[in-house]
Amino acid sequence: TQLLEQSPQFLSIQEGENLTVYCNSSSVFSSLQWYRQEPGEGPVLLVTVVTGGEVKKLKRLTFQFGDARKDSSLHITAAQPGDTGLYLCAGARDIGGKLIFGQGTELSVKP
Amino acid sequence: GAVVSQHPSWVICKSGTSVKIECRSLDFQATTMFWYRQFPKQSLMLMATSNEGSKATYEQGVEKDKFLINHASLTLSTLTVTSAHPEDSSFYICSARDQGSYNEQFFGPGTRLTVL
Repeated sequence: TQLLEQSPQFLSIQEGENLTVYCNSSSVFSSLQWYRQEPGEGPVLLVTVVTGGEVKKLKRLTFQFGDARKDSSLHITAAQPGDTGLYLCAGARDIGGKLIFGQGTELSVKP
Repeated sequence: GAVVSQHPSWVICKSGTSVKIECRSLDFQATTMFWYRQFPKQSLMLMATSNEGSKATYEQGVEKDKFLINHASLTLSTLTVTSAHPEDSSFYICSARDQGSYNEQFFGPGTRLTVL
């Protein structure tokens, strides 16, 4: 059973388009992180959200934590080829607990 | 800050040999480190949680005698793949949790293991 459902799993878009990646669960998380990973490298932390309804922005990336802390979304505005990579959401049920990862979203932005 | 290193970055070995991978937190102390395995185009699979000064906690289905974990200090954890076989070939990634963070894990660059 996948506790954190991430969608879509694959996304291929043209430069300049917008996109949204979703992470959904029936469980409540104390915190949720979003990571970006390039081939052959480790994941790099983009953001951590901890409060229900929280919205964080990182340049063209907007992250939102659901009011009930069961879901999250990542929205990229005007995607660029440099945004290409594997995006991973990961949540912790308890403070100090292990992370539960979503399946990942493979994003390809074509020039 | 929050830099985690891994060594080696890649290793090729013969079947039956053992391979040790090191994970270091360079600018913070980590009482807890994690070891993951990742297959191509897939998400991370947690193998075990490494706790400084105590035994590691392994996930279901992960052989503790096959994947030996030692966390002898607040900045170093090691994963030893014993008697490696071709099916152990994978990308192994460690992460370290900053004691002052809210569950944030910082990942190493990964180690590509190829067993011939």
